[in-house]
Amino acid sequence: GQQLNQSPQSMFIQEGEDVSMNCTSSSIFNTWLWYKQDPGEGPVLLIALYKAGELTSNGRLTAQFGITRKDSFLNISASIPSDVGIYFCAGLNGGSQGNLIFGKGTKLSVKP
Amino acid sequence: DAGITQSPRHKVTETGTPVTLRCHQTENHRYMYWYRQDPGHGLRLIHYSYGVKDTDKGEVSDGYSVSRSKTEDFLLTLESATSSQTSVYFCAISEGRNIQYFGAGTRLSVL
Repeated sequence: GQQLNQSPQSMFIQEGEDVSMNCTSSSIFNTWLWYKQDPGEGPVLLIALYKAGELTSNGRLTAQFGITRKDSFLNISASIPSDVGIYFCAGLNGGSQGNLIFGKGTKLSVKP
Repeated sequence: DAGITQSPRHKVTETGTPVTLRCHQTENHRYMYWYRQDPGHGLRLIHYSYGVKDTDKGEVSDGYSVSRSKTEDFLLTLESATSSQTSVYFCAISEGRNIQYFGAGTRLSVL
């Protein structure tokens, strides 16, 4: 089936540093979503992207829908301790019965 | 949690027993989903529903059944639980085929 390759799998950074993570696929997607999951909770939507080339911000978070429609990037600027968690990308296209395809997540750890 | 309640939040059961997890929504969204989350696998779709009494299989549906008799409730049943079904289960809802909103999860342990 379709797969999303999300990288890196984990990151250990210092508070104040910027973070970058990405998702790639061999398939084209019409929508890219980025979620964050805190320990013991469900994923929460951060950013939704609907057009190739689209760049969208949500506070210190910025995400981009790749021009090829096969990738997406999430950047976090000036990280803080509450950024700790697992970040998931998800793609949606007309295939897969219209269901979301999820990456396996990037686990972010922030040292104060 | 976008008006989504999962129950129970935690459950420990024995191999071979039936288990039912409940997802209740107050958003009147058409679509409802059940996922399982396991280390190294991310979120995998078990079953989903596109309306009352309308359901379909996802990627990992073996050993699971679902029912949706009302818009607001989506039940996931493990007819005879196995240790491989120990996992965290998430319900999600969406209005269309786009953004999904997730519940807080049910942690299930099958001993």
